[in-house]
Amino acid sequence: DARVTQTPRHKVTEMGQEVTMRCQPILGHNTVFWYRQTMMQGLELLAYFRNRAPLDDSGMPKDRFSAEMPDATLATLKIQPSEPRDSAVYFCASGLGQKTGRGNTEAFFGQGTRLTVV
Amino acid sequence: GESVGLHLPTLSVQEGDNSIINCAYSNSASDYFIWYKQESGKGPQFIIDIRSNMDKRQGQRVTVLLNKTVKHLSLQIAATQPGDSAVYFCAENSQGGSEKLVFGKGTKLTVNP
Repeated sequence: DARVTQTPRHKVTEMGQEVTMRCQPILGHNTVFWYRQTMMQGLELLAYFRNRAPLDDSGMPKDRFSAEMPDATLATLKIQPSEPRDSAVYFCASGLGQKTGRGNTEAFFGQGTRLTVV
Repeated sequence: GESVGLHLPTLSVQEGDNSIINCAYSNSASDYFIWYKQESGKGPQFIIDIRSNMDKRQGQRVTVLLNKTVKHLSLQIAATQPGDSAVYFCAENSQGGSEKLVFGKGTKLTVNP
């Protein structure tokens, strides 16, 4: 069945190391979101893409975070260098945006990557 | 399990009772709203959505009510079951604006058998 796939599910890394999280959106979806979830802040939107183009990354710390979509089947979120405060669960979600003519629809979430930076 | 937010609103109900979860949204330009359910260790899962040209929508055991005047959403779950225990989020989106899907802080529902 169609679902958003995220890898890895868990990642423990040392402060200063580079972390790359990957997401395979549902085939045919034209919108991809990256969210971060923490106990204190809840679900925060970091960035989102429409047809592989970044539309908004204002929620993302630009100095260390970067998000890309090398192709329609892969979205990546990279942190370099990582810091302990980056510890969180990172979710990718995909959906169909308004350019499809159907109006905005729900976003389907992956299982998340639980990142721990020590 | 994972809890979201140190000050997450909580709702505790008995199995079989009806549950009502409330959400106040912030953007008066928002025209599309979604309720998500998040179980421990999983990603948010779509429950039901509603567009701003409606004030009520029903699904299986769930009903969403939208009051645009006071910017308020509610999710009603009929005959609540232990499997309904989770954190529930409302999310808002503005089709004419940035199209961001912005989430509320969530409400933790606990169903007691």
